[in-house]
Amino acid sequence: NAGVTQTPKFRVLKTGQSMTLLCAQDMNHEYMYWYRQDPGMGLRLIHYSVGEGTTAKGEVPDGYNVSRLKKQNFLLGLESAAPSQTSVYFCASRMTSGDTQYFGPGTRLTVL
Amino acid sequence: GDSVTQMEGPVTLSEEAFLTINCTYTATGYPSLFWYVQYPGEGLQLLLKATKADDKGSNKGFEATYRKETTSFHLEKGSVQVSDSAVYFCALTPTTDYKLSFGAGTTVTVRA
Repeated sequence: NAGVTQTPKFRVLKTGQSMTLLCAQDMNHEYMYWYRQDPGMGLRLIHYSVGEGTTAKGEVPDGYNVSRLKKQNFLLGLESAAPSQTSVYFCASRMTSGDTQYFGPGTRLTVL
Repeated sequence: GDSVTQMEGPVTLSEEAFLTINCTYTATGYPSLFWYVQYPGEGLQLLLKATKADDKGSNKGFEATYRKETTSFHLEKGSVQVSDSAVYFCALTPTTDYKLSFGAGTTVTVRA
């Protein structure tokens, strides 16, 4: 049981490049989330999904897109990266009936 | 909207010292309250939680009590160890929602 995994662990992009971050969970959780973590700001919700095929905007969705084509995977895309998107990105998942979120190890993204 | 305020750090302590991290919240109804911990280079892990007023969450020697009257969920540990060095996040989930709201995080360093 791997829990929540994230790919890649580190990435450096140039301004304007695109990339996709992959989150996978093997706990059969319905809900999945993408957060970004910036110094002094805690974690802020980017997008979330309450089930396969559904997505919704969180607190800071601009510049990001997401897809949930399979229940176990939640993808976060940056179409045209900007230096303001330099951050650590965390994925999390949760059962429908529970209230505890389980987090992945994070992806550290630097945009030059 | 819902929000969490926790004491700013960083906090530096000696081993076996007493640790308190203050957390207060603003929310309607009766949210679930959490403390998450992030060890260096890792993702967030649930440390403890409480789901109703006067509940006490506890784990690894840490405790926090859900105080509805003061809208607080302060984290305490009686005798810290070097291995407790981490960033601690207070968070809440409203009863009618499935999103987590985080505090800014408190960095704790324990010196031998």
